[in-house]
Amino acid sequence: DAGITQSPRHKVTETGTPVTLRCHQTENHRYMYWYRQDPGHGLRLIHYSYGVKDTDKGEVSDGYSVSRSKTEDFLLTLESATSSQTSVYFCAATGANTEAFFGQGTRLTVV
Amino acid sequence: AQSVTQLDSHVSVSEGTPVLLRCNYSSSYSPSLFWYVQHPNKGLQLLLKYTSAATLVKGINGFEAEFKKSETSFHLTKPSAHMSDAAEYFCVVKVANAGGTSYGKLTFGQGTILTVHP
Repeated sequence: DAGITQSPRHKVTETGTPVTLRCHQTENHRYMYWYRQDPGHGLRLIHYSYGVKDTDKGEVSDGYSVSRSKTEDFLLTLESATSSQTSVYFCAATGANTEAFFGQGTRLTVV
Repeated sequence: AQSVTQLDSHVSVSEGTPVLLRCNYSSSYSPSLFWYVQHPNKGLQLLLKYTSAATLVKGINGFEAEFKKSETSFHLTKPSAHMSDAAEYFCVVKVANAGGTSYGKLTFGQGTILTVHP
């Protein structure tokens, strides 16, 4: 959607393993976000970025880290995956005066 | 700080009757406000947006919303529901004119599931 690509789209991993999700955008948006979506909780912000190498924590950042070394890429890392991190993850990007554009989501299952 | 409250977790209507999904927001700065829709197992689609222009905003599929600053509300309406409107709807606030690192931060409401009965 509007140049936002998430990879992988589906992943099953074991508890304790590291996992990295990638978000790539082609529109040069300044701001990028990672959310997780769980039933009954809507979308909750994990981390966001307001520029290259500039990131900040969201409301559910524990157990997650991010990096943004280029405008177009925003990586989300689970250092040691836990079952509570089983979720659907959405990446988004936006400019200062535009709506947010979302990726198609990544379904992560931690077993 | 900013927050969004969607006042109903579930709304049920009959086909052909009006839809009202309620959203209240809190923001220290002038907000941009959005409504997104998500159909089952799908991504998020923008319905409409308010970015400090006209307070009555028209969106896709016959939806509209009115920004009321005095009531800090941005309720979503549609005159006549269609079966295809059944989905989950999210109200989203974005701080538009803030300084500091909160600029551009998007905050979602909890979502409202709309059910449409034949």
